Amino acid sequence: DTGVSQDPRHKITKRGQNVTFRCDPISEHNRLYWYRQTLGQGPEFLTYFQNEAQLEKSRLLSDRFSAERPKGSFSTLEIQRTEQGDSAMYLCASSLVIGMNTEAFFGQGTRLTVV
Amino acid sequence: GQQVMQIPQYQHVQEGEDFTTYCNSSTTLSNIQWYKQRPGGHPVFLIQLVKSGEVKKQKRLTFQFGEAKKNSSLHITATQTTDVGTYFCAGMSNSGYALNFGKGTSLLVTP
Repeated sequence: DTGVSQDPRHKITKRGQNVTFRCDPISEHNRLYWYRQTLGQGPEFLTYFQNEAQLEKSRLLSDRFSAERPKGSFSTLEIQRTEQGDSAMYLCASSLVIGMNTEAFFGQGTRLTVV
Repeated sequence: GQQVMQIPQYQHVQEGEDFTTYCNSSTTLSNIQWYKQRPGGHPVFLIQLVKSGEVKKQKRLTFQFGEAKKNSSLHITATQTTDVGTYFCAGMSNSGYALNFGKGTSLLVTP
């Protein structure tokens, strides 16, 4: 596998339920990003990891959202007590930062629908 | 916080016409990247600009980074139907690590 992998591709959940998404970055990539994208909008930054450390988190991110990247490999994004406004495409991206090169490779995304 | 604005939001051209999208940041950027997203797809990296006033070309695509490192543009010469998609700029500030995306310009090319 040479790309960023996300699982599941689609998730339908009832309001109030918790959901967890997984992202497997490109092997040896040291940076990992989570973004949220709604129809007609650009990807909205959620959080960022440098190896296993979560270095930045959007101020827009509610306390219901939490992300982890144990051992600096795969990452999970959990949303607790989902709301209809959480419905969106959740994108993961990874990059191998060498000097100024910060090109990000995106996964196919997980589409969340909260009913 | 840093905001990245992109115009126009939509552009509809006839095949063979040129196309330009513009990106402006509220703060000075360390670098700016451009991505293309096809309908139903995910963003795909096109290019990164780092230096003030930098110009890069990829076949029919020309990318520019402003002297103040706060604005950028993407110009496509003689559009083709394969150019259809949404083009996003994404800026990285000097003080952070997040790539902040604009809302994108959706390009439609009709033959």
